[in-house]
Amino acid sequence: DAGITQSPRHKVTETGTPVTLRCHQTENHRYMYWYRQDPGHGLRLIHYSYGVKDTDKGEVSDGYSVSRSKTEDFLLTLESATSSQTSVYFCAIHAGPVEDTQYFGPGTRLTVL
Amino acid sequence: KQEVTQIPAALSVPEGENLVLNCSFTDSAIYNLQWFRQDPGKGLTSLLLIQSSQREQTSGRLNASLDKSSGRSTLYIAASQPGDSATYLCAAYNAGNMLTFGGGTRLMVKP
Repeated sequence: DAGITQSPRHKVTETGTPVTLRCHQTENHRYMYWYRQDPGHGLRLIHYSYGVKDTDKGEVSDGYSVSRSKTEDFLLTLESATSSQTSVYFCAIHAGPVEDTQYFGPGTRLTVL
Repeated sequence: KQEVTQIPAALSVPEGENLVLNCSFTDSAIYNLQWFRQDPGKGLTSLLLIQSSQREQTSGRLNASLDKSSGRSTLYIAASQPGDSATYLCAAYNAGNMLTFGGGTRLMVKP
């Protein structure tokens, strides 16, 4: 699992509340990613980071922001959660350059009521 | 924009059969291609990575091939077992190490 943890693992919240999901890695990988997985849409990239304080948007970034103040932590924030953001969120790291492979965390199941 | 398609979406086979899962992608300028396994309610487990300079990779009963010119990859599972039941996802690497995923093939191996 490449030392990736996500917290919380499950969360239920109400529409309009802010939510922050945390991804933590222990192996100092440079690249980190946030994906969401939805039935019928598969896995889609939300945001990614290529270093401390270096982030960029993915395919479905609207309504989400990210921060990376330390190499080991990548935070995903929903400023004002909506029901359409109910999903399973996965964090990933890119282990390179030798392995050149992405490894995924266990996921966070978020329900927005 | 890269698009990745997996066919079939679901597959049910008896135990012991050899099977092939298909993955196609629209942009042949991919960097690498990776196959994952996902069990219900779980995260993604990396199975095989094929780098752009390679044509295939093998791990145990699994063999994955990559043909960039035709935009196709296949995952071959030999002598399937009930424990192989899961969803199999392929993903193409684009610039910046970003992945584009296919929709997955849900495999059921019946005893």
